[in-house]
Amino acid sequence: GQSLEQPSEVTAVEGAIVQINCTYQTSGFYGLSWYQQHDGGAPTFLSYNGLDGLEETGRFSSFLSRSDSYGYLLLQELQMKDSASYFCALHSGYSTLTFGKGTMLLVSP
Amino acid sequence: EAGVTQFPSHSVIEKGQTVTLRCDPISGHDNLYWYRRVMGKEIKFLLHFVKESKQDESGMPNNRFLAERTGGTYSTLKVQPAELEDSGVYFCASSQISRGRNTEAFFGQGTRLTVV
Repeated sequence: GQSLEQPSEVTAVEGAIVQINCTYQTSGFYGLSWYQQHDGGAPTFLSYNGLDGLEETGRFSSFLSRSDSYGYLLLQELQMKDSASYFCALHSGYSTLTFGKGTMLLVSP
Repeated sequence: EAGVTQFPSHSVIEKGQTVTLRCDPISGHDNLYWYRRVMGKEIKFLLHFVKESKQDESGMPNNRFLAERTGGTYSTLKVQPAELEDSGVYFCASSQISRGRNTEAFFGQGTRLTVV
């Protein structure tokens, strides 16, 4: 089976940088994605790492290290609207997506 | 292009009743997933269709849940009979087939099910 671990909650202030970690256990996977979900809304895709290293998309970056079974999402220049839940997800098998429990990010003024 | 649509957006039913949720994926997406999020907790996988076939239904909690995807287009998820613990938000997502590459999943707005 597969399992992913994320912190349940992270707090930060506007303008700061925050890192949300994700560790996983799997027998094999293609890549790691990150999704954002605002309260009550649909999860939306943020980033994907198929290879080790850093992927940058605007204020968001994501990192993957297969040797360490570890990834993270880095959010820079935090804004109030970034307050949401963030999920890491493993891509495996026939396009199956397995999500972590999610990290609630609270951004304060 | 229309996104993933789910119907209804909200449903309140009594324990023991039956409810059927519907999901219309993005046209051309062969992958269709059902997930459930309970009370702000994790997004739990229920099952995965590839076209009309169930690729993985390991997340279905019990035999009160029945999912179908006749013709490989829209899907339905029936809960019969509903229990209190079935309450939550049921999300449907779809994606294109792409083994080994990024397969961004597009989510619907979810159906908020409340069993009373």
